[in-house]
Amino acid sequence: QLLLQESGSGLVKPSQSLSLTCGVSGGSISSGGFSWSWLRQAPGKGLEWIGYLYRGGNPYYNPSLKSRVTISLDRSKNQFSLNLTSVTAADAAVYFCARGGPWFAPWGQGTLVTVSS
Amino acid sequence: EILMTQSPAALSVSPGERATLSCRASQNVGTSLAWYQQKFGQAPRLLIFGANTRAAGIPARFSASGSGTEFTLTINSLQSEDFGVYYCQQYYPWPPMFTFGQGTKLEIK
Repeated sequence: QLLLQESGSGLVKPSQSLSLTCGVSGGSISSGGFSWSWLRQAPGKGLEWIGYLYRGGNPYYNPSLKSRVTISLDRSKNQFSLNLTSVTAADAAVYFCARGGPWFAPWGQGTLVTVSS
Repeated sequence: EILMTQSPAALSVSPGERATLSCRASQNVGTSLAWYQQKFGQAPRLLIFGANTRAAGIPARFSASGSGTEFTLTINSLQSEDFGVYYCQQYYPWPPMFTFGQGTKLEIK
């Protein structure tokens, strides 16, 4: 059974960078030709796709975040990462990693990121 | 950007009855549509992809239909564990820009 687990900084200061990692267990991130995504959900709000590594290779990002986002893959550690620069209060959310798209399954449990000085 | 609109915003249904949830896309997405269930404090769970194909392990009481811009998720013989927020998601265009509806909150009477 494939399991994903987010980890990283839960508290980020405004204007600084957010860094999260998604550890994958129960399968190799390099097999199957899958894509690997980050998504987020602001408190009480809906879901927003941040971006993904298409079939573990080229990154594609939500145009609204593209200038601030980097998603990368570490095959040796079987994990992938999210870096979001110049964060503001609007970036406070639960961040999820997931296998996919074009649809997303499974998901990690999510990690709450707070933006505060 | 393709906008997804779900209706109703909230729905209250008695156990054993049927729940019908709707999702509308702002432009034609063919059958490039998925449905998810999210319970409070949990990650979303994939229910349906390809507009009408149940994901692995999803009970047969969940069914979905539609194409183009109008889609429906039906939950027959509603059970108490079916409460939660349901989201639709389109994945039609290339390059990718996946978007979700705002969700329908399903409450069990």
